[in-house]
Amino acid sequence: SQTIHQWPATLVQPVGSPLSLECTVEGTSNPNLYWYRQAAGRGLQLLFYSVGIGQISSEVPQNLSASRPQDRQFILSSKKLLLSDSGFYLCAWSGVAGGDEQFFGPGTRLTVL
Amino acid sequence: QKEVEQDPGPLSVPEGAIVSLNCTYSNSAFQYFMWYRQYSRKGPELLMYTYSSGNKEDGRFTAQVDKSSKYISLFIRDSQPSDSATYLCATMAGTALIFGKGTTLSVSS
Repeated sequence: SQTIHQWPATLVQPVGSPLSLECTVEGTSNPNLYWYRQAAGRGLQLLFYSVGIGQISSEVPQNLSASRPQDRQFILSSKKLLLSDSGFYLCAWSGVAGGDEQFFGPGTRLTVL
Repeated sequence: QKEVEQDPGPLSVPEGAIVSLNCTYSNSAFQYFMWYRQYSRKGPELLMYTYSSGNKEDGRFTAQVDKSSKYISLFIRDSQPSDSATYLCATMAGTALIFGKGTTLSVSS
């Protein structure tokens, strides 16, 4: 069966510090991978998605970037965090066929102070 | 107009009640619809996945899609305290999911 891991689970960082969040998927090959952010009162917002190694699409302009160095690894990064980057970051995966369900990881709660 | 609208609640019901959760969407081209359940401080968990119009049942849960009115519903029968969570509706637009903001449900024993 497939599992998705995210770490760290919780992170408190000062403004201006760098960020690296990692997501890995087990039990599947060539998944589509996604990064979402969930902020209070604003619902889930898609940040990036990837259909393959090195292929990243950005949905919104922002202070963040994403990379996919391996088939089942997806990384969310920032060079300098802003207060507005605080939120609950969720990684998800889906199969390659259109319409496939997306399955979410446990999330990383980021607080920028 | 936002693409998926969902009443945030909160919704409070007694144990055993039938719960109806609803969303509306704006784009008639949407074909795939999902309901996720999210417990506090956890990732969303896929509950139901439907394609086009009609009903789909899984245990105490029934998902309903009415494409003519662009309305999707989730019914929970015999609600339990363990059903207390935030329920998110979503639809597929290309490769991305568009979510409603979620309805918070509380089931009291």
